Amino acid sequence: DVKVTQSSRYLVKRTGEKVFLECVQDMDHENMFWYRQDPGLGLRLIYFSYDVKMKEKGDIPEGYSVSREKKERFSLILESASTNQTSMYLCASSFAGTANVGNTQYFGPGTRLTVL
Amino acid sequence: QKEVEQNSGPLSVPEGAIASLNCTYSDRGSQSFFWYRQYSGKSPELIMFIYSNGDKEDGRFTAQLNKASQYVSLLIRDSQPSDSATYLCAVGAGGFKTIFGAGTRLFVKA
Repeated sequence: DVKVTQSSRYLVKRTGEKVFLECVQDMDHENMFWYRQDPGLGLRLIYFSYDVKMKEKGDIPEGYSVSREKKERFSLILESASTNQTSMYLCASSFAGTANVGNTQYFGPGTRLTVL
Repeated sequence: QKEVEQNSGPLSVPEGAIASLNCTYSDRGSQSFFWYRQYSGKSPELIMFIYSNGDKEDGRFTAQLNKASQYVSLLIRDSQPSDSATYLCAVGAGGFKTIFGAGTRLFVKA
């Protein structure tokens, strides 16, 4: 059974703080993703990684960075948190290969981040 | 900008009825299509994946794909209150990206 875990379910931070969100998967997946989910906007891709130390920008990378030093772990970093980064953050992983080969993504439980 | 459009709902159906959820996508080159279910406060989980025109059935769920019309749908037969959730349509956008729709909320009345 695929398991994707995220470091916190709920997090409250102050504007300007540096925030780390961690994601760990136990299925030896090559691909890992970070999304944010906001009402009415659906899931929006922030960054993804298809291999250790590799990272690619998604659709909304501004204000975020990522790190993938080990295959199982993918971290999302908010360099200086702002109130418009208040959201649900979802991590996902999938096997190697592109989305066009039917690559299912497995999601973690999510982190609800509030920036005050 | 590649887009996936869904009616936000809520779609309300009585228990035992067929629920029909629809999705359109903008990229004619898309090749893979997914339906995820998301319960309130939970993360999305895959229901079905389809890549060929026509129907694909899995238990009470049937996915339908029409690439000419850029349209994909999900039918849920014999709907149960436990099917009440938000259903996300997702489309392989080329490369590693998957584009998600905003989701349709389904409410099955007992």
